[in-house]
Amino acid sequence: QVQLQESGPGLVKPSQTLSLTCTVSGASISSGGYYWSWIRQQPGKGLEWIGHIYYRGSTYYTPSLRGRLTISVDTSKNQFSLNLNSVTAADTAVYFCARLPFDYYSSGLFDYWGQGTLVAVSS
Amino acid sequence: QSVLTQPPSASETPGRRVTISCSGSRSNIGSNTVNWYQQLPGTAPKLLIYSNNQRPSGVPGRFSGSMSGTSASLTISGLRSEDDAHYYCASWDDSLTGPVFGGGTKVTVL
Repeated sequence: QVQLQESGPGLVKPSQTLSLTCTVSGASISSGGYYWSWIRQQPGKGLEWIGHIYYRGSTYYTPSLRGRLTISVDTSKNQFSLNLNSVTAADTAVYFCARLPFDYYSSGLFDYWGQGTLVAVSS
Repeated sequence: QSVLTQPPSASETPGRRVTISCSGSRSNIGSNTVNWYQQLPGTAPKLLIYSNNQRPSGVPGRFSGSMSGTSASLTISGLRSEDDAHYYCASWDDSLTGPVFGGGTKVTVL
């Protein structure tokens, strides 16, 4: 059974960096076949794709966050991470990690999700 | 402002049918397939329909999807209390070169 679990601080100060890690179990990131994604949900709002990474390191980011966002992968730990710098209150959201199958790349199909973690940006 | 447009809410009594719409454009629904997710309170979204009208294993047959032109719809037949949830459509946008979602529809089972 594939499982994804987000971890990281629940509170970040404005202008600082939001860092989250997603640990994958039941599947190997280095096996390929999937893109590993971050999606967020601001309070009371819909879902927003942030970006994703392939195990070889290729990254794809949503244009609105490009410049502040870095997604990286550590295949030895079967984890991938998100770093979002210069955060503001608008970055307060529940952040989900999810898996996007290679065969469904151009579809918006995410077959497994983490439970999500709430990150608040506040002083 | 979400790229795909959904009505914010829908409601119906148990046993009836409810249909949720999802409107897009040529760069997303008009060119790519649509998926639907169900999100229960406090949980992660769950894939409900993929490739416009396919159900993953374990999803009841009373959930169905369709697509025409630049719009898609999700129909829940024989509504049950456990269907009370938020539903999101998703597709790929060729201009954004990434996945896009609708703003979500809250289905209330009266």
